[in-house]
Amino acid sequence: GDSVTQMEGPVTLSEEAFLTINCTYTATGYPSLFWYVQYPGEGLQLLLKATKADDKGSNKGFEATYRKETTSFHLEKGSVQVSDSAVYFCALSSATGNQFYFGTGTSLTVIP
Amino acid sequence: NAGVTQTPKFRILKIGQSMTLQCTQDMNHNYMYWYRQDPGMGLKLIYYSVGAGITDKGEVPNGYNVSRSTTEDFPLRLELAAPSQTSVYFCASSPTGGRGNQPQHFGDGTRLSIL
Repeated sequence: GDSVTQMEGPVTLSEEAFLTINCTYTATGYPSLFWYVQYPGEGLQLLLKATKADDKGSNKGFEATYRKETTSFHLEKGSVQVSDSAVYFCALSSATGNQFYFGTGTSLTVIP
Repeated sequence: NAGVTQTPKFRILKIGQSMTLQCTQDMNHNYMYWYRQDPGMGLKLIYYSVGAGITDKGEVPNGYNVSRSTTEDFPLRLELAAPSQTSVYFCASSPTGGRGNQPQHFGDGTRLSIL
């Protein structure tokens, strides 16, 4: 069945460091892919999405490219800020059903 | 512009009590979902609905019930609360469900403790 495997955390970076959070997926058909961010005490918010192969989603300096050949959707940011500290979830929408599938989340802490 | 609204935000229950977690959305989305998130863990799907009158089980439905009498509302019922149900519960909605390319919209969650 469909699934998402996400890089384990927690991740601690210094401000202005480069961020990569790995995400790979298994899916039937052609799913859409998403990154969500969850700040402490809040719900999940959509960060970016990509709906077909080679699409690049971007928002707030974060980017992720839908790679069908490697079944990956890695999240990157060139220079993280303290305000980026949060939990990040990779997710896909099932192309054959009604559900969405989430990775286990990666906690990011950025220190000044 | 409310989006997905969950009530209550916090609740403490005693073992064996029952309660209903409320979820309502104002975006006219057909698809609605209930997840639980245990500390340090990802999301587990409890139940979902593809439209009024239609519900289906997710990964962890035991101990819960749902109903969907209107497009807007999707309440989650705990009949006999158990400590294992201590968690944060999130409701989400989507215009197109899994087959579409639209994301889910999440509420702020209900933090439930059962003692």
